[in-house]
Amino acid sequence: EVQLVESGGGLVKPGGSLRLSCAASGFTFSSYSMNWVRQAPGKGLEWVSSISSSSSYIYYADSVKGRFTISRDNAKNSLYLQMNSLRAEDTAVYYCARDASGDYAFDIWGQGTMVTVSS
Amino acid sequence: NFMLTQPHSVSESPGKTVTISCTGSSGSIASNYVQWYQQRPGSAPTTVIYEDNQRPSGVPDRFSGSIDSSSNSASLTISGLKTEDEADYYCQSYDSSIFVVFGGGTKLTVL
Repeated sequence: EVQLVESGGGLVKPGGSLRLSCAASGFTFSSYSMNWVRQAPGKGLEWVSSISSSSSYIYYADSVKGRFTISRDNAKNSLYLQMNSLRAEDTAVYYCARDASGDYAFDIWGQGTMVTVSS
Repeated sequence: NFMLTQPHSVSESPGKTVTISCTGSSGSIASNYVQWYQQRPGSAPTTVIYEDNQRPSGVPDRFSGSIDSSSNSASLTISGLKTEDEADYYCQSYDSSIFVVFGGGTKLTVL
């Protein structure tokens, strides 16, 4: 079964850091670009970051640029999001999503992990 | 910046057909693929349409996607509505300056 499972969410104080992980299974992880998408409570979906299959191309939304770092380990079938200098507005459910064919069409989503930034 | 605009909400009766629109703010929406995601309350999004009109395996053919270049819009049509179709639906596309853009979402009520 094709599956993405996020972990690493939790409660963190403003200015703090957190590292999210996304474990992939059921497909050849190294062949696909991957993304992080977030959803603040009661709000819509917001793209956060994208990484190509070989990590050659990495992009960020302006809202997280300079604070978040996306990475992957193809040997471990895992995607990561290092989040630093966290703000209250980063509070959201964070989803990892597979890019179906390299054109930013997401076909598989994880169940999400909640990040709460509060003092 | 490029934006995708969706109606805030739509409603229709079971068995009927509903269409949800997604209008691009500039350029040509046909230049890049449009996807549609379904999100039921308390659940993660799932893909119902990708690359304008393709259905992932397991998605019933009651779901269809189309592009109308004349109105610079994409549409998701759901026929034979079922109560289980009640959810939020998001369109999504690509823009060279901001990369991935989502519409604001449409709440579908089946009553």
